[in-house]
Amino acid sequence: NAGVTQTPKFRILKIGQSMTLQCTQDMNHNYMYWYRQDPGMGLKLIYYSVGAGITDKGEVPNGYNVSRSTTEDFPLRLELAAPSQTSVYFCASSYYRRTGIRGDEKLFFGSGTQLSVL
Amino acid sequence: KNEVEQSPQNLTAQEGEFITINCSYSVGISALHWLQQHPGGGIVSLFMLSSGKKKHGRLIATINIQEKHSSLHITASHPRDSAVYICAVRVNSGGSNYKLTFGKGTLLTVNP
Repeated sequence: NAGVTQTPKFRILKIGQSMTLQCTQDMNHNYMYWYRQDPGMGLKLIYYSVGAGITDKGEVPNGYNVSRSTTEDFPLRLELAAPSQTSVYFCASSYYRRTGIRGDEKLFFGSGTQLSVL
Repeated sequence: KNEVEQSPQNLTAQEGEFITINCSYSVGISALHWLQQHPGGGIVSLFMLSSGKKKHGRLIATINIQEKHSSLHITASHPRDSAVYICAVRVNSGGSNYKLTFGKGTLLTVNP
């Protein structure tokens, strides 16, 4: 299995340009997430999805959009790129399964996208 | 104040030493995750805990729900354990507890 595949690995944008970060997973996970990681800070949730056709905002959604037309794909769109969007972006997926009275969950991350907006 | 606090921020150890990384949180949670991030960025899930203790190889994770505290231990540390270790909690928030709150991470360096 490929797991979570995220592209591109690196990208430089000019202010005002747009781009789409691609994310696909082959594990049939319902839950998918986009995070950004800034130096010295914890990962921040941008958007998440609990299944095909369902998306919702996270902590820092401004300037981004997502879609989830299939279980596998969860692209992140940056419109009108700004320097504040310079960051490392991670796509992730997870499963949750109940075992007895407890649950078990595991997160799978893509390899990250280093984005610079100049 | 961050909902998730990790300590120490940086930790340097000699090969073979026993390592402890701590995570404290201030809210009710349904689960806690420990993640590992190697230089170059890849993030790997190590454990998910909702109670008690889990062990995988040289890694042991414990959680005390009453004290809102978790520890990650590494026995017989090795230079390949050098990485950032991240604690993340799934906050109890009624219907929408799909979100994780992350700590800032602990940078571990194990010298040979």
